[in-house]
Amino acid sequence: AQSVAQPEDQVNVAEGNPLTVKCTYSVSGNPYLFWYVQYPNRGLQFLLKYITGDNLVKGSYGFEAEFNKSQTSFHLKKPSALVSDSALYFCAVSSGNTPLVFGKGTRLSVIA
Amino acid sequence: DAGVIQSPRHEVTEMGQEVTLRCKPISGHDYLFWYRQTMMRGLELLIYFNNNVPIDDSGMPEDRFSAKMPNASFSTLKIQPSEPRDSAVYFCASRPLASGIHEQYFGPGTRLTVT
Repeated sequence: AQSVAQPEDQVNVAEGNPLTVKCTYSVSGNPYLFWYVQYPNRGLQFLLKYITGDNLVKGSYGFEAEFNKSQTSFHLKKPSALVSDSALYFCAVSSGNTPLVFGKGTRLSVIA
Repeated sequence: DAGVIQSPRHEVTEMGQEVTLRCKPISGHDYLFWYRQTMMRGLELLIYFNNNVPIDDSGMPEDRFSAKMPNASFSTLKIQPSEPRDSAVYFCASRPLASGIHEQYFGPGTRLTVT
């Protein structure tokens, strides 16, 4: 069975500071990992994915994520946070062409 | 492309009434997924289809829930009878069958309130 853990319900960061949103996963076989963002009253928007290759994946809006196989983690990062980054962030995992299994989400609040 | 389209965006109904949620996937996508989002349980997969055929409906909570995909461009999720605990945001998502691992594209969701 696949599962995702996002250990923090809420992350607060000052504008201009680096941000990290944590994610760990459990899957049989090769993991395929995704990050999505959800703004209020909107659907989920795809940010980035790791399939294979370079462990550092770059995505939309300046976000990146680092795949760490030994720690089974896929943390989302951004060097300099913006107030407009404030949203709900979801990590998800798949073991192939199976449906994505999502974590509970982490609410990011960037304070001006 | 207009993306995944869902209707209605908001639905308020009384307990015991039938509710039908609708979804139009992105043209050319072969997979369609229905998810439910609540504060307590997060995002739950209810059912998914491949080429209009239901593949896994193990996430459907009860017999009160049913889903159909009569053609490649339309799917419905029906709740009959509805109960207050069904109140949630219901998302539809689609994905292409093309080779490789692809992300799912989500619709804007339907916010259901059952009173």
